Formats: sequence, C-alpha cells, structure tokens
Amino acid sequence: NAGVTQTPKFQVLKTGQSMTLQCAQDMNHNSMYWYRQDPGMGLRLIYYSASEGTTDKGEVPNGYNVSRLNKREFSLRLESAAPSQTSVYFCASSDRRLALRNEQFFGPGTRLTVL
Amino acid sequence: GENVEQHPSTLSVQEGDSAVIKCTYSDSASNYFPWYKQELGKRPQLIIDIRSNVGEKKDQRIAVTLNKTAKHFSLHITETQPEDSAVYFCAASNSGAGSYQLTFGKGTKLSVIP
Repeated sequence: NAGVTQTPKFQVLKTGQSMTLQCAQDMNHNSMYWYRQDPGMGLRLIYYSASEGTTDKGEVPNGYNVSRLNKREFSLRLESAAPSQTSVYFCASSDRRLALRNEQFFGPGTRLTVL
Repeated sequence: GENVEQHPSTLSVQEGDSAVIKCTYSDSASNYFPWYKQELGKRPQLIIDIRSNVGEKKDQRIAVTLNKTAKHFSLHITETQPEDSAVYFCAASNSGAGSYQLTFGKGTKLSVIP
C-alpha cells in the first residue's frame, strides 16, 4: 500500500516550458487535491477534485490546469512555466465517506524550479 | 472564504518544556480542525484533529483545544523532545457543506533545544 505517490521528485524548467506533475493514490479515496508550498506561506490549494469527473479551483489556480484521469490519478499541468511557479507541489487525497472528518493524506512532494 | 491565522511563526523551547501554538479562523460554519506536522524535507502528516462538537482532545503528549465562540483553537505539546522539532500547520474545514477544502495557517516552526 503505497498511499499517495508523486512524480517527478525534482524538476528544473526554463521559463515558457510546459510540464505535467503526476499523482496517484491507492487508498480508494474520492477526493484529491493539489497544493503549493512556499516559504512562510503555508499550503495553498491550487485545484481539487471532490470526486471522479469533477474539478474545482482553489485559492491560487492561475497558470495551472488539472485532469482527474480516473479515481486513482490527478495530474497538474503547467502550460507555460514562470519563475513565480517555483515551489514545492504536494498532492493529497481524502475519503469523503468519512463524513465529518476530512483527513488528507499527502504525497512526498515535487520540488519545481523555473529559471 | 475561510481565513486561518496562526501564531507564532517561530517558537523555541527547552527540551521538557511545553509548547503552545494558536490559530484563529473566520468562518463560523467551520467544523473540523486538524493539525499537521511537517519535518524538514518531508510531507505534512496529521497528528491530531478535533471536531466542533468537542472542546478538547488529547493523545499522549499532544492536545488540542477549541473555543467555538471565540473562533480559535490551540495545539499543546507537553514534555517536548528534540524529535518534536518541525513545522506545524493548523487548518479549518466546513466538511458538512459538501466542500472538502482545508484552509491552512502559514505554519509555526518549532525548535526544541536539547
């Protein structure tokens, strides 16, 4: 049981390049999330998917797109990377059947640098 | 939307002393309040959580208290140990509204000095 996995672990891009961050979970969770973490800013929600087939914007969606490929996988795409997108990106998942408890399980993170 | 403020941003304590981290939230409809611990270079992990129908919850050396009227909640760590050194995040959620978002505070870096 691997939990939440992310690829790649590290990535360096040049301004204007595109890339897709991959996330997968094997806990049969309904909901999945993408966060970015910057020093002193905590975890900020980029996009989330409450269930397979739905996606919604979070606090900081500009410059990103997402795809909920199936129940297991949720990808984050940067179409034209900018230096302001240099950050650590975390994927997370949760089981909404736990009605009043939204414990989120995080992946190991992707450290992205945009030059 | 929800706004979560967390204080202090950094905290240093001597080993064996207690540490307290405080958070306030803005949305009175929030009903779920987790705390996450993030060690250097690692992923955030849930350490304790509390729902709005409970005022206090303990798990060994850690406890969380919630004051719904004042809209604040706190993390208490007693008998601190060097392995408690990490960044701690509070969060708030209205899980009953069909929204599954957590709004996080900006974090507290706790250093336990041996």
